[in-house]
Amino acid sequence: GEDVEQSLFLSVREGDSSVINCTYTDSSSTYLYWYKQEPGAGLQLLTYIFSNMDMKQDQRLTVLLNKKDKHLSLRIADTQTGDSAIYFCAPGGMDTGRRALTFGSGTRLQVQP
Amino acid sequence: GAVVSQHPSRVICKSGTSVKIECRSLDFQATTMFWYRQFPKKSLMLMATSNEGSKATYEQGVEKDKFLINHASLTLSTLTVTSAHPEDSSFYICSARGLELSNNEQFFGPGTRLTVL
Repeated sequence: GEDVEQSLFLSVREGDSSVINCTYTDSSSTYLYWYKQEPGAGLQLLTYIFSNMDMKQDQRLTVLLNKKDKHLSLRIADTQTGDSAIYFCAPGGMDTGRRALTFGSGTRLQVQP
Repeated sequence: GAVVSQHPSRVICKSGTSVKIECRSLDFQATTMFWYRQFPKKSLMLMATSNEGSKATYEQGVEKDKFLINHASLTLSTLTVTSAHPEDSSFYICSARGLELSNNEQFFGPGTRLTVL
């Protein structure tokens, strides 16, 4: 099965950029998702990238994909205290709709004021 | 975007009782729903995949007689934790996906926190 790894913790100062990294093993992953989970809440889809793209930018979020190395990153520009949460990467296949997602361990982002 | 609700959001029960958690897709038909379990400060672990009108597929190590899943309609799946024990205390999250939704996205419910005393 798919293995997905993330670093567990990241601390940044407000206004700085945050970079959260993720490595995965399944090269057939077609859609690669980033989810955000705030304390006591469910998962919110932040953004995703299709596997034929290297980069996707969505306002303050930039997703970089190195398909050769199976490495995915999420950059949050001008990080705010409201960005404090756990971020999960979840690579998915073409039939993700019929298969559950495999989640990384999650990276807890702490933003210092 | 598509909305998935869960009810209840929190439940506290005594050991030995059964608890039913509902997962509803509010504005789309969910042909497939997934049930996840999340321990504190841990990732989500898939428990089972539920397809409308058929039996759920359970992951290895998940007791199907303890965690009963029913996906009786295209908008509702239920997870019943039978004879709950304190070790069943956890955060249970469902997700749903419908054929008409694009990019294969799954939409997640807000989760149900179960505490078994």
